[in-house]
Amino acid sequence: SQKIEQNSEALNIQEGKTATLTCNYTNYSPAYLQWYRQDPGRGPVFLLLIRENEKEKRKERLKVTFDTTLKQSLFHITASQPADSATYLCAPEGARNFNKFYFGSGTKLNVKP
Amino acid sequence: NAGVTQTPKFQVLKTGQSMTLQCAQDMNHEYMSWYRQDPGMGLRLIHYSVGAGITDQGEVPNGYNVSRSTTEDFPLRLLSAAPSQTSVYFCASSYGGADYNEQFFGPGTRLTVL
Repeated sequence: SQKIEQNSEALNIQEGKTATLTCNYTNYSPAYLQWYRQDPGRGPVFLLLIRENEKEKRKERLKVTFDTTLKQSLFHITASQPADSATYLCAPEGARNFNKFYFGSGTKLNVKP
Repeated sequence: NAGVTQTPKFQVLKTGQSMTLQCAQDMNHEYMSWYRQDPGMGLRLIHYSVGAGITDQGEVPNGYNVSRSTTEDFPLRLLSAAPSQTSVYFCASSYGGADYNEQFFGPGTRLTVL
């Protein structure tokens, strides 16, 4: 069955540095992958989508890469700010079903001033 | 636009009771989903719908029923609540299609089953 792994340990970084979060998946080949942000007590909020034929996608201070050979996506936040502190979830699309997603358990990012 | 709304925000049930979690969206989205989120386990898909009258099972459908009689509403029914169903439940909707799959999530319902 599909398996999605995100680092369960919190990532602690200093303000201004680049945060890099990892999402690894096994046992399937998603056509695309999404990243979401979740704040405590709230629902996830969509950030970025990257397709299998795209190596990299950028949006303001965010950058996502998608390596279908390694079965891995990296999520980068440059010039991080305390307001970026949240849990970040990756969601590879499920088995070529464009409306069925499998979510990772998320990585909590703490940006310290 | 209100987006995706969920009611109630909090609920406490006793084992064996039944209840319905309500979800509505006003964005005319075809696709709607229900997830549960447990500590350390991320979001797990319970049921989803690709349009009115069409539903399908996700990863963890046992103990839950859904129906989709309108585009706007997608209620989740717990038939006989069990402590293992204590969780936070999120409803989500999306436009659908390969290019427009940003999911919009509701604020969640925190359910405790005693």
